[in-house]
Amino acid sequence: SQTIHQWPATLVQPVGSPLSLECTVEGTSNPNLYWYRQAAGRGLQLLFYSVGIGQISSEVPQNLSASRPQDRQFILSSKKLLLSDSGFYLCAWSSGGSLAFGSGTRLTVV
Amino acid sequence: GQNIDQPTEMTATEGAIVQINCTYQTSGFNGLFWYQQHAGEAPTFLSYNVLDGLEEKGRFSSFLSRSKGYSYLLLKELQMKDSASYLCAVKNEDYKLSFGAGTTVTVRA
Repeated sequence: SQTIHQWPATLVQPVGSPLSLECTVEGTSNPNLYWYRQAAGRGLQLLFYSVGIGQISSEVPQNLSASRPQDRQFILSSKKLLLSDSGFYLCAWSSGGSLAFGSGTRLTVV
Repeated sequence: GQNIDQPTEMTATEGAIVQINCTYQTSGFNGLFWYQQHAGEAPTFLSYNVLDGLEEKGRFSSFLSRSKGYSYLLLKELQMKDSASYLCAVKNEDYKLSFGAGTTVTVRA
């Protein structure tokens, strides 16, 4: 069966520090991969999605970036975090049907 | 662009029925999804509609009318564990999923 791993679960980072969140999927090949952010009390906002290695589409201009170095690995990064980057970050995958989400990373920028 | 609307909050009594409405305007349509999200957790998949009509899954049912851009999620025989946020999401012509802001359902004894 397919599983998705996302870490860390929680993260507290100072403003201006770098960020790297990693997500890996097991049990499937060539999945579509997504990064979403959920701000407190708000809906899920699509940040990036990828249909293959090295193929990244950005949905919202911001100081975040994403990379897909391997088929089942998706990384969300920032060189310098802003206070507004705080939120609940969710990695997800699909193979054409519904999305399945990782357990999420709660990021607090202080 | 995408526009997905659902009520912010609903409250119901244990054992009752609650209907969560969702209206949408999207560029293309390739299915509507409902997710459940408990506080502090990731969303989990509940239901999927791509054709008009009612899909039933145990205590949960979901309805779709594509011509009206309308869906609802029906929760029957409410239990305390059903207290959660319910997210309506639409897959558009690019096969990306856009989410509504979610409806927080509180079940009271």
